Amino acid sequence: DTGVSQDPRHKITKRGQNVTFRCDPISEHNRLYWYRQTLGQGPEFLTYFQNEAQLEKSRLLSDRFSAERPKGSFSTLEIQRTEQGDSAMYLCASSLGQGNSPLHFGNGTRLTVT
Amino acid sequence: EDQVTQSPEALRLQEGESSSLNCSYTVSGLRGLFWYRQDPGKGPEFLFTLYSAGEEKEKERLKATLTKKESFLHITAPKPEDSATYLCAVQAPSGTYKYIFGTGTRLKVLA
Repeated sequence: DTGVSQDPRHKITKRGQNVTFRCDPISEHNRLYWYRQTLGQGPEFLTYFQNEAQLEKSRLLSDRFSAERPKGSFSTLEIQRTEQGDSAMYLCASSLGQGNSPLHFGNGTRLTVT
Repeated sequence: EDQVTQSPEALRLQEGESSSLNCSYTVSGLRGLFWYRQDPGKGPEFLFTLYSAGEEKEKERLKATLTKKESFLHITAPKPEDSATYLCAVQAPSGTYKYIFGTGTRLKVLA
């Protein structure tokens, strides 16, 4: 069990640029989640996948955000035309997808939009 | 609307001074309540799952309990290394597998 891996750990970008983050879940986990966390707040749900199917998206996930999990393994989260309000920690988590399995988180990607 | 509220927002304790953190929730049909610890710059680390009222779980100096409306995380004789943000989350009702988090309690234990 190597844990959930996220890349990059930090990303600084200029407003208007596109960014993409990658998440590698724990290998036997079939559910994968993306959350966003700002300073002093708890994680906010963005979207989740069961295998390769994206089953739910939050209203927070505007048209500028897209997530994929093409083969049911790793996932990418892309933000187009970044805005300063997108600055946050983007957390990926995975779970076994059985009953009430807990989420296991990666250490996140810290995005700063200047 | 499903909601999770944690209190206090911040807590400072002397080493050895026991206390409790509160997590209250309004969810129709709780399917699980989860406690996490988060250190600065890191992702949340899973601590406990509680499923039904009356259930208790323990790990070292931490003990989590659950009632029908709230959960408590009791910290007995804390040490400075227990300093972290403690997050509570619930799994939303049937039909969705998203987890709803509270804003956390920032705990600082002074030596």
